[in-house]
Amino acid sequence: AQSVTQLGSHVSVSEGALVLLRCNYSSSVPPYLFWYVQYPNQGLQLLLKYTSAATLVKGINGFEAEFKKSETSFHLTKPSAHMSDAAEYFCAVSDLGGGNQGGKLIFGQGTELSVKP
Amino acid sequence: KAGVTQTPRYLIKTRGQQVTLSCSPISGHRSVSWYQQTPGQGLQFLFEYFSETQRNKGNFPGRFSGRQFSNSRSEMNVSTLELGDSALYLCASSTQGARGEKLFFGSGTQLSVL
Repeated sequence: AQSVTQLGSHVSVSEGALVLLRCNYSSSVPPYLFWYVQYPNQGLQLLLKYTSAATLVKGINGFEAEFKKSETSFHLTKPSAHMSDAAEYFCAVSDLGGGNQGGKLIFGQGTELSVKP
Repeated sequence: KAGVTQTPRYLIKTRGQQVTLSCSPISGHRSVSWYQQTPGQGLQFLFEYFSETQRNKGNFPGRFSGRQFSNSRSEMNVSTLELGDSALYLCASSTQGARGEKLFFGSGTQLSVL
């Protein structure tokens, strides 16, 4: 079965500091991996996704993630945090769902990012 | 292009009642998925519909059901509400619902069961 583990339910950084949110996955086949962001009282917005085209994936708002098969990791980074980055971040893996089964995402528990001025 | 629209935004119900939530996907999207979000369990997949057919179902009791109409709009229904059903219910749409496809999420319906 596929799964996702996010290390750290809460991360706090200073404005301008590096953001690093950790995600490890378990999958028996090459995975499709995603990072979503959720702002208060809103739905989820896709930051970026990995679909095996390139190991370093660039997303919106200056975020990027690197797929490392040997470490089964897909950590999210941003060189310089901004106050507007404060939100909850979710890592997800696309379920195997073969045949005519519809797409389904398996989410990690989420990491809340706080940015201090 | 309008995004995914969920109505109502907030709902308050009492135990034993039933509730229906609505989701209008992005125009042209034929796949609609539903997720439950709670502080304790996080985001959990409920079910997915494509062309009016349920293709995939999560591990939820039969009290949770859904349907999709010919215009791709979807509804989910929860009968005999329990306190534990209090959650944010999120709807997501995509063109085909294929593995690896980007999902577009609505803002959700916040359900409170008293």
